Amino acid sequence: GAVVSQHPSRVICKSGTSVKIECRSLDFQATTMFWYRQFPKQSLMLMATSNEGSKATYEQGVEKDKFLINHASLTLSTLTVTSAHPEDSSFYICSAGQDLNSPLHFGNGTRLTVT
Amino acid sequence: GENVEQHPSTLSVQEGDSAVIKCTYSDSASNYFPWYKQELGKRPQLIIDIRSNVGEKKDQRIAVTLNKTAKHFSLHITETQPEDSAVYFCAANSGGSNYKLTFGKGTLLTVNP
Repeated sequence: GAVVSQHPSRVICKSGTSVKIECRSLDFQATTMFWYRQFPKQSLMLMATSNEGSKATYEQGVEKDKFLINHASLTLSTLTVTSAHPEDSSFYICSAGQDLNSPLHFGNGTRLTVT
Repeated sequence: GENVEQHPSTLSVQEGDSAVIKCTYSDSASNYFPWYKQELGKRPQLIIDIRSNVGEKKDQRIAVTLNKTAKHFSLHITETQPEDSAVYFCAANSGGSNYKLTFGKGTLLTVNP
């Protein structure tokens, strides 16, 4: 149980375009999902908390207008990187748990390359 | 906010030896401490976790110890195997639930055959 699916696994886009990443909880409902970013050989940095039916909560230094989060259902959260730049190239990973007392499980990640 | 320090950043052991990775945290309200294993290009996988109401937890070759007073916790891997080679991350929660995790910087473990 507790499977989190993320799509796409890899995406290459040109500077200035937008990219949407989907995160789905396959066998449970998730009122809260988390989006992380991981640069090569670095740790996972929390970007934002995605809340079903309400606005996302962003960590300090993360631009909410650049990284749009939509959590429209209990099984789907999307992260849209708008007007992407090469410095946005990174590994983006979502996570979710079945409830407040369950472990977090991660999606398979999305490798974004902006050319 | 929470700050998690992890040491060492790299660790190389011979197959069959033990490996120990240590983490400290700053938020005394943290009560959940998971460990994740991440292989290159893949998602982090939860390998063991511990809550603050216990001092030690073991699962086969993996164990985690927690010293809440000193605010540090450690991962112990015994009888290491080459397939244990990966990056290991410790984490601590904040906000009263498992949800919001702050991660350490990771330890690259290499098990030499």
